[in-house]
Amino acid sequence: EAGVAQSPRYKIIEKRQSVAFWCNPISGHATLYWYQQILGQGPKLLIQFQNNGVVDDSQLPKDRFSAERLKGVDSTLKIQPAKLEDSAVYLCASSLDNRRGQGQFFGPGTRLTVL
Amino acid sequence: AQSVSQHNHHVILSEAASLELGCNYSYGGTVNLFWYVQYPGQHLQLLLKYFSGDPLVKGIKGFEAEFIKSKFSFNLRKPSVQWSDTAEYFCAVGSYNTDKLIFGTGTRLQVFP
Repeated sequence: EAGVAQSPRYKIIEKRQSVAFWCNPISGHATLYWYQQILGQGPKLLIQFQNNGVVDDSQLPKDRFSAERLKGVDSTLKIQPAKLEDSAVYLCASSLDNRRGQGQFFGPGTRLTVL
Repeated sequence: AQSVSQHNHHVILSEAASLELGCNYSYGGTVNLFWYVQYPGQHLQLLLKYFSGDPLVKGIKGFEAEFIKSKFSFNLRKPSVQWSDTAEYFCAVGSYNTDKLIFGTGTRLQVFP
């Protein structure tokens, strides 16, 4: 089966610019997650969707980050405006649903560098 | 606060050596426990998981982990590592009834032939 797809793989921008990342989860997976992984740290959950509704966005810096999952499939994560500390790998993951036992499947990530 | 600690940040071993990576967690309530692996240039993959039952869990590629509830630990082990095990290993904990995960900071394993 096809895995989680993400694009772009790499992005370099200057601070105060905007950037958007795209994620296509595994077909049929209802739950979608966005994580931020700063160098030397583990992934940190930013937002969790169940179909097209937000389940948890408690760690999303809402003053600059936004995410949507229209039609309950693809998702976009946007940063506007970017700061230097946003440099990280942004990971998308999906699972069949949000009950335990399903496991999360991760995409390759988008490496963002903010100059 | 919920957290996961991985004590070994960087481990260097020779092939055939035994491996044990530590993982301790702080989490209220019943937990699910996971080990993920990230090989160089690849994405995160599930290595093994514990939900209930036998506290000794076997995963792919000869890895196993033991859940010790009294110690809040879920250490990863492999009796004999191979060069191809060179990767970064992440321990993660989730609540009993959701797939939301909290990750540790990771352990980088280098295996030399």
